[in-house]
Parts: sequence; structure tokens; C-alpha cells
Amino acid sequence: KAGVTQTPRYLIKTRGQQVTLSCSPISGHRSVSWYQQTPGQGLQFLFEYFSETQRNKGNFPGRFSGRQFSNSRSEMNVSTLELGDSALYLCASSYQTGTPSSGNTIYFGEGSWLTVV
Amino acid sequence: QKEVEQNSGPLSVPEGAIASLNCTYSDRGSQSFFWYRQYSGKSPELIMSIYSNGDKEDGRFTAQLNKASQYVSLLIRDSQPSDSATYLCAVNHRGSTLGRLYFGRGTQLTVWP
Repeated sequence: KAGVTQTPRYLIKTRGQQVTLSCSPISGHRSVSWYQQTPGQGLQFLFEYFSETQRNKGNFPGRFSGRQFSNSRSEMNVSTLELGDSALYLCASSYQTGTPSSGNTIYFGEGSWLTVV
Repeated sequence: QKEVEQNSGPLSVPEGAIASLNCTYSDRGSQSFFWYRQYSGKSPELIMSIYSNGDKEDGRFTAQLNKASQYVSLLIRDSQPSDSATYLCAVNHRGSTLGRLYFGRGTQLTVWP
């Protein structure tokens, strides 16, 4: 069974540009979450989607946006890139949303490494 | 503010020893707790989940939860050099959706031969 797939894996962008990252969840998983990981802030939650609807949103500026498609694939977009946006962006999927129960948790993809210069 | 704190480390133990990783959380409503392992340059990998007070064992790993003390720990028995990684504690709060986890900053573990 294939895991969570993220593309691209590595990318370099210039300040002021925008970037779109893609995530394909595990087959059958309908919930997708996005996280940003930096050395200074650790892992921080960006947003969560289920059935094309945003269910939860972290404390990030409006430059960060996302969406989910009918096939559960998700994209996140960062506009007007800043140097501080350089990070590992992680997508995670789960079978369903709602509160966790035994055996129901999230699984991370390999991540997209974004460098802003 | 819902915070998750981990012993900052780094933690260094010899091969075969027990490694003890600790985590405290601020929200008493937290209900689900996870330990992820992250190798350098890789994504987090789930190794343990625990939902009720007490111990949960899985191979060489034991997770311990004490909700009254708002404390969760991970013990790694017979530590191996391949266990060298950063260990992340994650908490899901009551009322929060499944994909919304709060992470600690991680504890870097080194197991030396």
C-alpha cells in the first residue's frame, strides 16, 4: 500500500514568488493535514481538510492557503514568499477526521523541502 | 496556550541501555498521545500511541501515561545505534480534530556502540 506522496520533494524559490505543494494521501484516506517544520519553531499545524472542506486552521498568515480535491488529493499554496518560509512542509493523511481513537491516527509523507532565497 | 514540552536533550546512552524520554502537556483536556521518531532529513514516523493511563508496550518501546500529572514518557529498552534519532511527543486535545496535533520540540537521542 503506497504511503503519503508529496511533490516536489525539493525546491528553491525567490522572495516574493509563490509556491504550490501537492499531496496524495494513502489510498482510502480522506483527511489531509499540513504542517510546517523549522529548526526554530518545530512542527506547526497549518490546516486540515476532509471531504474538500477545511476543518481546522493553524495560526499562519493568509499567505498560506490550501485546498482538497474530490479524490482527496490536496495542495497548499504560499504566496509572496519570505525567507522565513524556508522549511520542511509535511502532509499527513488519515482515514477519517474527528477525534482519535485507538488505531486511527495520522501518517506523514516524506515532505517538501522549500528554500526561499 | 496549549503547550507540549519535552526534555531538551540531547540524550546520549550506550548501546543496550534504557533510554527515557519525557513529555509534559499543558491542556488537561488532552486525550490522545503519540510518539514519533524522526531521522535526520526524514519525516516523522509514528512509533507509539497511548490513550489511557498506564503503560503500553510494543517490542522494545514502552509508553507511559499519567493524565493526573499531565505527563507521558517513552522508554526504549536495549537501545541500538539505529534508535539514534529525534523523538517527538505529540498530543491531540479534547475537541480537536484528528489531524490537529500539538508537537513538542523533540529530544535528540544518540545511542553509541
